[in-house]
Amino acid sequence: GDSVTQMEGPVTLSEEAFLTINCTYTATGYPSLFWYVQYPGEGLQLLLKATKADDKGSNKGFEATYRKETTSFHLEKGSVQVSDSAVYFCALSDPQAGTALIFGKGTTLSVSS
Amino acid sequence: DSGVTQTPKHLITATGQRVTLRCSPRSGDLSVYWYQQSLDQGLQFLIQYYNGEERAKGNILERFSAQQFPDLHSELNLSSLELGDSALYFCASSVEVGNTEAFFGQGTRLTVV
Repeated sequence: GDSVTQMEGPVTLSEEAFLTINCTYTATGYPSLFWYVQYPGEGLQLLLKATKADDKGSNKGFEATYRKETTSFHLEKGSVQVSDSAVYFCALSDPQAGTALIFGKGTTLSVSS
Repeated sequence: DSGVTQTPKHLITATGQRVTLRCSPRSGDLSVYWYQQSLDQGLQFLIQYYNGEERAKGNILERFSAQQFPDLHSELNLSSLELGDSALYFCASSVEVGNTEAFFGQGTRLTVV
């Protein structure tokens, strides 16, 4: 079935460093792709999304591009802040294939000043 | 505040018992998802409902069941509880099935002793 694989964490960076969190997916159909973020003690929040190949989602300085040829949706940010410390989840949804919103295992990001 | 309400926030119960977790979706959202989050398994999709009908099923144990009522709130019933069922259970809702944003509640932390 459909699945999402994320790079293992934790990822530890200094403030203003460049961030990449890798995400690849397996899907039988044409899924939509998402990045969600979970801050300590809270539920998940949508960070960005892309609904078709070559779309770029962006929000709060984060970006990810839907790459069908490499089945990837890597999350990037040019300059991280301490406030970006959280757990990041890559996810896909493909209702036409009967796939609800499924998530990768999550990547913990810790940013120090 | 996502608009999704989960009750109770915390639940401590003994092995073998049965509990019910409740979720009220955002106003206007027809789709409800249930997830189990544990340290070793990550965020596992359990089940999805859309307008009262089961839409997709994930890794939900036979001891677990769910339903969505005519007023669109949902309940997750967990029975014959085991120590390994201790986890954070999240409910999420969305307007429709598919490539739309899902809004998450704060979760119910279940501890089985």
